[in-house]
Amino acid sequence: QKEVEQNSGPLSVPEGAIASLNCTYSDRGSQSFFWYRQYSGKSPELIMSIYSNGDKEDGRFTAQLNKASQYVSLLIRDSQPSDSATYLCAVNSGGGADGLTFGKGTHLIIQP
Amino acid sequence: DVKVTQSSRYLVKRTGEKVFLECVQDMDHENMFWYRQDPGLGLRLIYFSYDVKMKEKGDIPEGYSVSREKKERFSLILESASTNQTSMYLCASREGAEPLNTDTQYFGPGTRLTVL
Repeated sequence: QKEVEQNSGPLSVPEGAIASLNCTYSDRGSQSFFWYRQYSGKSPELIMSIYSNGDKEDGRFTAQLNKASQYVSLLIRDSQPSDSATYLCAVNSGGGADGLTFGKGTHLIIQP
Repeated sequence: DVKVTQSSRYLVKRTGEKVFLECVQDMDHENMFWYRQDPGLGLRLIYFSYDVKMKEKGDIPEGYSVSREKKERFSLILESASTNQTSMYLCASREGAEPLNTDTQYFGPGTRLTVL
C-alpha cells in the first residue's frame, strides 16, 4: 500500500516568514513528486513538481527532495496571507498511467 | 493553458438514482482520472483511463463505473447512488506518464455531490 504522510496542522506562520511543509512517502520506487495548493471549496492547483534529488526553486517556492530519506518538502519564502490554504503532497510511482497518491494535506495559516 | 471542465459544480440526487458526472479536457491528454475527496480521508483515486475505451480501477472503485468513448471525455457513473457517496468529485487529466516531465496532473473545478 503506497502511503504519503503529512502533518495535518494547522501550521501557523507570521506574514513575511518562511513556511516549511514536509511530506514522507513509503514507495521507494516513486519517481515524481508534486505539491498542490487547495483553497477551501476549490480544486487543487499545481505549485511545484520535482523529479531529482536536491532543490528546485520557482519564485517564492522551493521544493526539496531526498529520495534516500523518502522525504520531500516545500518552503514558502516571504509568506503572504494569500498563501493560507491546504497544501497537498502527491507522489507518482511511475512506470505507467497510474494516478497520484496524495497525502491528506497540511493546513497553512499565514498570520498578518 | 490546460483546461479541464466538469459538467456540474453542485449536484443533489436521491438514493438509488443513477448519476452521471462528466469531465472534458481540451489538451488531447491520454490519461484521465476520477478522484473523490472527503474530510480526513484526502483525495482517493476511483478509476483512471489511459486511452479511449480503456479503464483501470483505482483504490476505491466499488459502487462506480466509468466510460471513455472519446479521448477528451471521461464519465463517472454511480449506478445506484447511496448516501456514502456524498463527496467532492474531482476529475484530472495528464499528457502521459513518460517522460516524467509530462506527468503533471491538472484538475477540473470539482463537483460537490450530495445524495439524500
